Order: sequence, then structure tokens, then C-alpha cells
Amino acid sequence: AQKITQTQPGMFVQEKEAVTLDCTYDTSDQSYGLFWYKQPSSGEMIFLIYQGSYDEQNATEGRYSLNFQKARKSANLVISASQLGDSAMYFCAMRDNTDKLIFGTGTRLQVFP
Amino acid sequence: GAGVSQSPSNKVTEKGKDVELRCDPISGHTALYWYRQSLGQGLEFLIYFQGNSAPDKSGLPSDRFSAERTGGSVSTLTIQRTQQEDSAVYLCASSLGRRRYSETQYFGPGTRLLVL
Repeated sequence: AQKITQTQPGMFVQEKEAVTLDCTYDTSDQSYGLFWYKQPSSGEMIFLIYQGSYDEQNATEGRYSLNFQKARKSANLVISASQLGDSAMYFCAMRDNTDKLIFGTGTRLQVFP
Repeated sequence: GAGVSQSPSNKVTEKGKDVELRCDPISGHTALYWYRQSLGQGLEFLIYFQGNSAPDKSGLPSDRFSAERTGGSVSTLTIQRTQQEDSAVYLCASSLGRRRYSETQYFGPGTRLLVL
């Protein structure tokens, strides 16, 4: 069965520092996509970054990058130069051939000055 | 362009009453999804519509939950005889519907349901 595991309920980081949010996944499919979403206190889910199972290079989007290690089934999100506005819940999700997204339980990131 | 919209933003109801939640997807998106997020939890898949195909209802928690999509656009999620455990945020998402694992889903702001 498909599963996403986020083992860090909460993380703290100082402004301007980098932080890594962990995500591991389990699937028997060869083709799948991995997504990260940000959920601020306002509640909306904001798409951040995507990594495909066949992508050889790690995805990057501005200050966000995805450290994809396929053999370990991990897809960690790296946020560089953290900003106060990065404080939010972060969810890792996977989509395979069932079309639906399977979400992890999330990590609450708090950025302090 | 307009994103996914949902209404109402908040809904308070009494146990046993029926509620309807509405989702208006991004124009041109043929795939529409409903998820539920209980307090402090991740998102739980409920139902998925793709074009004219039969919906995937595998995530609906009970027969009190149903959803329809009229004209391939707006969707309504109905919860009958609400229970307190139905209290959650109900999120709608849409995507292009090309059925590829790389396709991004875009979410609406959600409806916060409180059952008293």
C-alpha cells in the first residue's frame, strides 16, 4: 500500500538558515510523482515543488529544492535562506497511477528571528 | 486567473442536520478531488471525478457522504445526518485531468465544518 511518512512533527530554524524537512514514501509502482505543499495558518494548500520518479536531477524552485534519493525512497524538502513567512505546515504527498494524492501527517516549521 | 473556489468558508451545524459544500474548479480542469483534513492531521482522500467517467468513491467514510459534479464543472459534497466526528476542513482540488502521475493538483481555501 502507498504510504508517506513525515517523522518530524515540528522543526525550528533561524531566519536566513537552511532547513531540511524529511519525507519517506512506500509504493510498488515504478511511475509516481512526489509533491510538497505548504499550508499557512490561513489554511490554503500551496503547491511548492514536484519530483518525478524518473527524473534524474533533483527538482528546484527558487529557494526550494528536493533531495530525491530513489533507492532510499526519500524526498526531503530543503528550504534555503529561511524567511519568517516560511512558518507553516509542510506536507509531502505522492501520486501514482491511482490519480489521488496520498499525504503525510505534515511538519510544522517555525522560523525565528 | 481564478483559482479553485469553495463555499461556504465556514459552516456550523447541529448534529443530525444535512450540509452541502460547494467547489468550483479552475476553468478547463476536468479532474476534481475532495479531501478532508481533521484537526492537526494530514489530508484524507474522499472522492475523485474525472471527466465523464464514474467517480472514484473509495475514500468516502460512510454512506452519509455523497458527491456529485454537474456539467463537468461545479461539485457538491453532501453530508447527511452530520455527526460530531465529521467536523473538519473539507478541501477541494482540481487538475488538468490528463491522468499523469506528474500532474499537480491545485487546492481551494477549504470549508471549515463544525458539527455541534
